[in-house]
Amino acid sequence: EPEVTQTPSHQVTQMGQEVILRCVPISNHLYFYWYRQILGQKVEFLVSFYNNEISEKSEIFDDQFSVERPDGSNFTLKIRSTKLEDSAMYFCASRGYRNAGTGELFFGEGSRLTVL
Amino acid sequence: GDSVTQMEGPVTLSEEAFLTINCTYTATGYPSLFWYVQYPGEGLQLLLKATKADDKGSNKGFEATYRKETTSFHLEKGSVQVSDSAVYFCALSDGHNQGGKLIFGQGTELSVKP
Repeated sequence: EPEVTQTPSHQVTQMGQEVILRCVPISNHLYFYWYRQILGQKVEFLVSFYNNEISEKSEIFDDQFSVERPDGSNFTLKIRSTKLEDSAMYFCASRGYRNAGTGELFFGEGSRLTVL
Repeated sequence: GDSVTQMEGPVTLSEEAFLTINCTYTATGYPSLFWYVQYPGEGLQLLLKATKADDKGSNKGFEATYRKETTSFHLEKGSVQVSDSAVYFCALSDGHNQGGKLIFGQGTELSVKP
């Protein structure tokens, strides 16, 4: 069964460092998303991406964040200068046209980011 | 804006007990509704969904009915197992466009004791 894969599974970084989280969505999916879950809290929407541009972003997704689809398979989230409060689990998700009507998203297993 | 509210956790039950996790929503359109489950150390998995009013989603013994009149989508299971211990998230789709995001509730942690 096709799945969304994310790397790394866990990254530890120093405050102020740049971090890139990588995702390989399900092939032939066209809508891509990043969500964040701070430990013990709700899953929060960060950004959605379609047709090589951002469709929607939340207020969390400030100038420190960026997303990119550098090739036909990867979808990345970059945090330019990490802060302590960026420590969270980051989930990538994707959706194809077939699920567009139902709204279902397919999630990866997450990348845990720890900022020291 | 659209939002989802779930009952507070954690919920602790004995094996074979009946489970209800309440979920209510606020939406301007006609969203699809979902329950996602997160087992310890894992990502989010779709448990069940309902795409229109009065639909019942079901999977692995869990059920939820889309109630438009009460704007609810409560999750139920007749007899829980230890393996059901997880965090359960209610969500709705932002149906304003095809690429619309999911909006999640705060999650309810379920712990089932043998």
